[in-house]
Amino acid sequence: GAGVSQTPSNKVTEKGKYVELRCDPISGHTALYWYRQSLGQGPEFLIYFQGTGAADDSGLPNDRFFAVRPEGSVSTLKIQRTERGDSAVYLCASRRTGTSGSSEQFFGPGTRLTVL
Amino acid sequence: AQTVTQSQPEMSVQEAETVTLSCTYDTSESNYYLFWYKQPPSRQMILVIRQEAYKQQNATENRFSVNFQKAAKSFSLKISDSQLGDTAMYFCAFLYSGAGSYQLTFGKGTKLSVIP
Repeated sequence: GAGVSQTPSNKVTEKGKYVELRCDPISGHTALYWYRQSLGQGPEFLIYFQGTGAADDSGLPNDRFFAVRPEGSVSTLKIQRTERGDSAVYLCASRRTGTSGSSEQFFGPGTRLTVL
Repeated sequence: AQTVTQSQPEMSVQEAETVTLSCTYDTSESNYYLFWYKQPPSRQMILVIRQEAYKQQNATENRFSVNFQKAAKSFSLKISDSQLGDTAMYFCAFLYSGAGSYQLTFGKGTKLSVIP
């Protein structure tokens, strides 16, 4: 059906606050990725889910960042005690796996996070 | 670890002309994919073209083609008959297909402007 969706489109918060960013992948895509794109840079990998489990979280910058995908579909990226350096566009992508799997990741429109 | 380098931060081309965007990468792996993604101001990352490393033939998608030089670790994108809608950021990306998360590693991007 529809593509990857992300909410909110834009989020402005104050330093020290907690934020949640949501990603709704393409139906049936078991692989889900979060990337962070800082100004003037390419996206950088944060975390990868296969189903409900975080199979690779090696890109999370520190323990203020956490992500969940409790039912294997929607995922939430959570950032505690936000810092100004967290300001970026957070992109979500999903991919079909299995026998009909593909290398292609389909991206959402991203959430622009601004920490004041 | 893989690295992707795009040495042209900005480029411009006249409408209907041809332009080539450069990309080099570094890896010790033999099984991988290379991609070019387009990111317009809407932030949506759109796959332009994909190349499997084991294929010697260069990929082509309509007006878009690549020059894949595996020994030189070079992967350039040629856009023919440039259109105003081609104006966007273009990112080169690497994906190791042997095992693991299939995470993408991106370059810093090239901003392409098509001039009427």
